[in-house]
Amino acid sequence: GAVVSQHPSRVICKSGTSVKIECRSLDFQATTMFWYRQFPKQSLMLMATSNEGSKATYEQGVEKDKFLINHASLTLSTLTVTSAHPEDSSFYICSATGLDGSSGNTIYFGEGSWLTVV
Amino acid sequence: AQTVTQSQPEMSVQEAETVTLSCTYDTSESDYYLFWYKQPPSRQMILVIRQEAYKQQNATENRFSVNFQKAAKSFSLKISDSQLGDAAMYFCAYRRMEYGNKLVFGAGTILRVKS
Repeated sequence: GAVVSQHPSRVICKSGTSVKIECRSLDFQATTMFWYRQFPKQSLMLMATSNEGSKATYEQGVEKDKFLINHASLTLSTLTVTSAHPEDSSFYICSATGLDGSSGNTIYFGEGSWLTVV
Repeated sequence: AQTVTQSQPEMSVQEAETVTLSCTYDTSESDYYLFWYKQPPSRQMILVIRQEAYKQQNATENRFSVNFQKAAKSFSLKISDSQLGDAAMYFCAYRRMEYGNKLVFGAGTILRVKS
Protein backbone atom coordinates (compact mmCIF):
# COMPACT_ATOMS: atom_id res chain seq x y z
CA GLY A 1 0.00 0.00 0.00
CA ALA A 2 0.88 3.66 -0.20
CA VAL A 3 3.31 5.08 2.34
CA VAL A 4 3.25 8.36 4.21
CA SER A 5 6.35 9.30 6.14
CA GLN A 6 6.39 11.84 8.94
CA HIS A 7 9.52 13.46 10.37
CA PRO A 8 10.73 13.92 13.02
CA SER A 9 9.12 11.21 15.10
CA ARG A 10 10.09 13.02 18.29
CA VAL A 11 11.20 16.59 18.85
CA ILE A 12 11.93 18.67 21.90
CA CYS A 13 12.07 22.42 21.59
CA LYS A 14 12.40 25.36 23.90
CA SER A 15 9.45 27.54 24.71
CA GLY A 16 9.21 30.46 22.31
CA THR A 17 10.92 28.74 19.39
CA SER A 18 9.36 27.33 16.24
CA VAL A 19 9.42 23.74 15.13
CA LYS A 20 8.60 22.18 11.76
CA ILE A 21 7.11 18.74 11.14
CA GLU A 22 7.20 17.23 7.67
CA CYS A 23 4.74 14.85 6.06
CA ARG A 24 5.74 13.15 2.82
CA SER A 25 3.88 10.81 0.50
CA LEU A 26 6.52 8.42 -0.77
CA ASP A 27 4.84 6.68 -3.66
CA PHE A 28 1.80 8.68 -4.66
CA GLN A 29 0.80 12.25 -5.33
CA ALA A 30 -0.96 13.59 -2.27
CA THR A 31 -3.36 16.22 -3.49
CA THR A 32 -4.95 16.56 -0.06
CA MET A 33 -3.28 16.27 3.33
CA PHE A 34 -4.79 16.46 6.80
CA TRP A 35 -3.12 17.40 10.08
CA TYR A 36 -4.38 16.07 13.40
CA ARG A 37 -3.52 16.58 17.02
CA GLN A 38 -4.06 13.85 19.58
CA PHE A 39 -4.00 14.08 23.36
CA PRO A 40 -3.39 10.94 25.47
CA LYS A 41 -6.26 8.47 25.37
CA GLN A 42 -8.30 10.80 23.21
CA SER A 43 -9.41 10.82 19.62
CA LEU A 44 -7.73 12.56 16.72
CA MET A 45 -8.66 16.20 16.44
CA LEU A 46 -8.51 17.57 12.91
CA MET A 47 -6.55 20.82 12.80
CA ALA A 48 -6.58 21.62 9.10
CA THR A 49 -6.97 20.32 5.58
CA SER A 50 -4.51 21.34 2.92
CA ASN A 51 -4.76 20.99 -0.82
CA GLU A 52 -1.63 21.23 -2.92
CA GLY A 53 -0.99 24.77 -4.03
CA SER A 54 -3.80 26.26 -1.95
CA LYS A 55 -4.09 27.78 1.48
CA ALA A 56 -4.99 25.36 4.22
CA THR A 57 -8.52 25.24 5.61
CA TYR A 58 -8.39 25.36 9.40
CA GLU A 59 -10.94 23.88 11.75
CA GLN A 60 -12.76 26.15 14.13
CA GLY A 61 -10.68 27.06 17.13
CA VAL A 62 -7.31 26.30 15.53
CA GLU A 63 -5.01 29.33 15.36
CA LYS A 64 -3.79 29.59 11.79
CA ASP A 65 -1.01 32.00 12.72
CA LYS A 66 0.32 29.60 15.30
CA PHE A 67 0.03 26.38 13.29
CA LEU A 68 1.35 27.22 9.83
CA ILE A 69 0.61 24.62 7.20
CA ASN A 70 2.28 24.55 3.82
CA HIS A 71 1.49 22.12 1.00
CA ALA A 72 3.70 23.40 -1.78
CA SER A 73 4.20 20.12 -3.61
CA LEU A 74 2.27 16.94 -4.28
CA THR A 75 4.53 14.96 -1.97
CA LEU A 76 5.20 17.27 0.94
CA SER A 77 3.21 19.15 3.54
CA THR A 78 4.70 20.85 6.57
CA LEU A 79 3.27 21.92 9.91
CA THR A 80 5.17 24.66 11.71
CA VAL A 81 4.32 25.36 15.32
CA THR A 82 5.36 28.95 15.88
CA SER A 83 6.34 30.42 19.24
CA ALA A 84 5.74 27.05 20.84
CA HIS A 85 4.56 26.83 24.45
CA PRO A 86 4.33 23.85 26.79
CA GLU A 87 0.59 23.55 26.10
CA ASP A 88 1.45 22.81 22.45
CA SER A 89 3.11 19.59 23.55
CA SER A 90 1.18 16.80 21.92
CA PHE A 91 1.16 14.04 19.32
CA TYR A 92 0.67 15.34 15.79
CA ILE A 93 -0.36 13.04 12.91
CA CYS A 94 -0.64 13.74 9.22
CA SER A 95 -2.61 11.83 6.64
CA ALA A 96 -2.77 12.06 2.89
CA THR A 97 -4.91 11.05 -0.02
CA GLY A 98 -4.39 11.32 -3.74
CA LEU A 99 -5.70 10.50 -7.16
CA ASP A 100 -2.89 8.12 -8.04
CA GLY A 101 -4.11 4.66 -8.98
CA SER A 102 -2.18 3.10 -6.15
CA SER A 103 -3.84 5.21 -3.51
CA GLY A 104 -7.28 5.67 -5.00
CA ASN A 105 -9.43 7.61 -2.58
CA THR A 106 -7.92 5.97 0.49
CA ILE A 107 -6.46 8.04 3.32
CA TYR A 108 -3.01 6.99 4.53
CA PHE A 109 -1.51 8.03 7.85
CA GLY A 110 2.00 9.02 8.81
CA GLU A 111 3.68 7.57 11.87
CA GLY A 112 3.07 10.69 13.94
CA SER A 113 5.34 13.14 15.72
CA TRP A 114 5.70 13.71 19.43
CA LEU A 115 6.32 17.35 20.26
CA THR A 116 7.56 18.32 23.70
CA VAL A 117 7.99 22.01 24.49
CA VAL A 118 10.15 22.71 27.52
CA ALA B 1 -22.54 17.93 10.42
CA GLN B 2 -21.70 14.29 10.66
CA THR B 3 -20.98 12.76 14.07
CA VAL B 4 -19.61 9.40 15.14
CA THR B 5 -20.34 7.93 18.57
CA GLN B 6 -18.48 5.13 20.29
CA SER B 7 -20.25 4.47 23.57
CA GLN B 8 -17.72 2.02 25.03
CA PRO B 9 -14.63 3.81 26.40
CA GLU B 10 -13.03 0.48 27.32
CA MET B 11 -13.65 -3.18 26.56
CA SER B 12 -11.95 -6.38 27.68
CA VAL B 13 -11.86 -9.77 26.03
CA GLN B 14 -10.24 -13.07 26.87
CA GLU B 15 -7.70 -14.35 24.40
CA ALA B 16 -9.36 -16.53 21.70
CA GLU B 17 -12.78 -15.13 22.51
CA THR B 18 -14.96 -12.79 20.43
CA VAL B 19 -15.64 -9.14 21.16
CA THR B 20 -17.87 -6.56 19.50
CA LEU B 21 -17.14 -2.83 19.48
CA SER B 22 -20.07 -0.50 18.91
CA CYS B 23 -20.31 2.55 16.70
CA THR B 24 -23.21 4.72 15.63
CA TYR B 25 -23.14 7.71 13.36
CA ASP B 26 -25.34 10.48 12.17
CA THR B 27 -25.49 11.73 8.60
CA SER B 28 -27.98 12.93 6.03
CA GLU B 29 -25.89 11.56 3.17
CA SER B 30 -26.88 8.38 1.37
CA ASP B 31 -23.44 7.45 0.08
CA TYR B 32 -20.38 7.43 2.33
CA TYR B 33 -17.57 5.30 3.72
CA LEU B 34 -17.20 3.85 7.18
CA PHE B 35 -13.93 2.64 8.68
CA TRP B 36 -12.45 1.01 11.71
CA TYR B 37 -8.89 2.03 12.55
CA LYS B 38 -6.62 0.40 15.11
CA GLN B 39 -4.08 2.48 17.03
CA PRO B 40 -1.62 0.32 19.02
CA PRO B 41 0.75 1.81 21.59
CA SER B 42 3.09 2.80 18.74
CA ARG B 43 0.37 5.31 17.78
CA GLN B 44 0.48 4.26 14.12
CA MET B 45 -3.02 4.37 12.63
CA ILE B 46 -3.81 1.05 10.97
CA LEU B 47 -6.84 0.56 8.74
CA VAL B 48 -8.71 -2.52 9.93
CA ILE B 49 -11.73 -2.59 7.71
CA ARG B 50 -13.69 -0.38 5.33
CA GLN B 51 -17.36 -0.40 4.30
CA GLU B 52 -19.00 1.43 1.45
CA ALA B 53 -22.53 2.49 2.39
CA TYR B 54 -23.98 1.44 -0.95
CA LYS B 55 -22.86 -2.14 -0.38
CA GLN B 56 -25.33 -4.25 1.55
CA GLN B 57 -22.83 -7.01 2.21
CA ASN B 58 -20.90 -6.63 5.44
CA ALA B 59 -17.14 -6.23 4.99
CA THR B 60 -14.84 -8.94 6.32
CA GLU B 61 -11.07 -9.05 6.75
CA ASN B 62 -9.86 -12.33 8.24
CA ARG B 63 -10.85 -12.25 11.94
CA PHE B 64 -12.46 -8.83 11.63
CA SER B 65 -16.00 -8.31 10.40
CA VAL B 66 -18.59 -5.59 10.64
CA ASN B 67 -22.31 -5.48 11.19
CA PHE B 68 -23.46 -2.56 9.07
CA GLN B 69 -27.04 -1.50 9.66
CA LYS B 70 -27.60 1.48 7.39
CA ALA B 71 -31.13 2.31 8.48
CA ALA B 72 -30.09 2.24 12.12
CA LYS B 73 -26.81 4.05 11.32
CA SER B 74 -24.89 1.44 13.19
CA PHE B 75 -21.46 0.02 12.32
CA SER B 76 -20.11 -2.45 14.86
CA LEU B 77 -16.80 -4.31 14.64
CA LYS B 78 -16.52 -7.96 15.62
CA ILE B 79 -13.12 -9.41 16.40
CA SER B 80 -13.07 -13.19 16.45
CA ASP B 81 -10.41 -15.37 18.06
CA SER B 82 -8.93 -12.35 19.82
CA GLN B 83 -5.16 -12.21 20.06
CA LEU B 84 -2.85 -10.30 22.40
CA GLY B 85 -1.79 -8.18 19.43
CA ASP B 86 -5.34 -6.92 19.03
CA ALA B 87 -4.97 -4.83 22.17
CA ALA B 88 -5.17 -1.22 21.04
CA MET B 89 -7.39 1.83 20.76
CA TYR B 90 -10.02 1.35 18.06
CA PHE B 91 -11.57 4.26 16.23
CA CYS B 92 -14.70 4.23 14.13
CA ALA B 93 -14.65 6.82 11.36
CA TYR B 94 -16.97 8.25 8.74
CA ARG B 95 -16.14 9.88 5.47
CA ARG B 96 -18.27 11.43 2.78
CA MET B 97 -17.85 9.81 -0.60
CA GLU B 98 -16.64 12.83 -2.52
CA TYR B 99 -12.90 12.93 -3.07
CA GLY B 100 -10.80 14.87 -0.60
CA ASN B 101 -13.21 14.77 2.29
CA LYS B 102 -11.95 14.39 5.84
CA LEU B 103 -12.43 11.53 8.24
CA VAL B 104 -14.73 12.14 11.19
CA PHE B 105 -13.61 10.03 14.14
CA GLY B 106 -15.40 8.66 17.15
CA ALA B 107 -13.93 9.02 20.63
CA GLY B 108 -12.34 5.58 20.49
CA THR B 109 -12.57 2.33 22.46
CA ILE B 110 -9.61 0.90 24.34
CA LEU B 111 -9.55 -2.85 23.87
CA ARG B 112 -7.69 -4.96 26.41
CA VAL B 113 -6.96 -8.61 25.69
CA LYS B 114 -6.46 -10.93 28.67
CA SER B 115 -4.26 -13.98 28.44
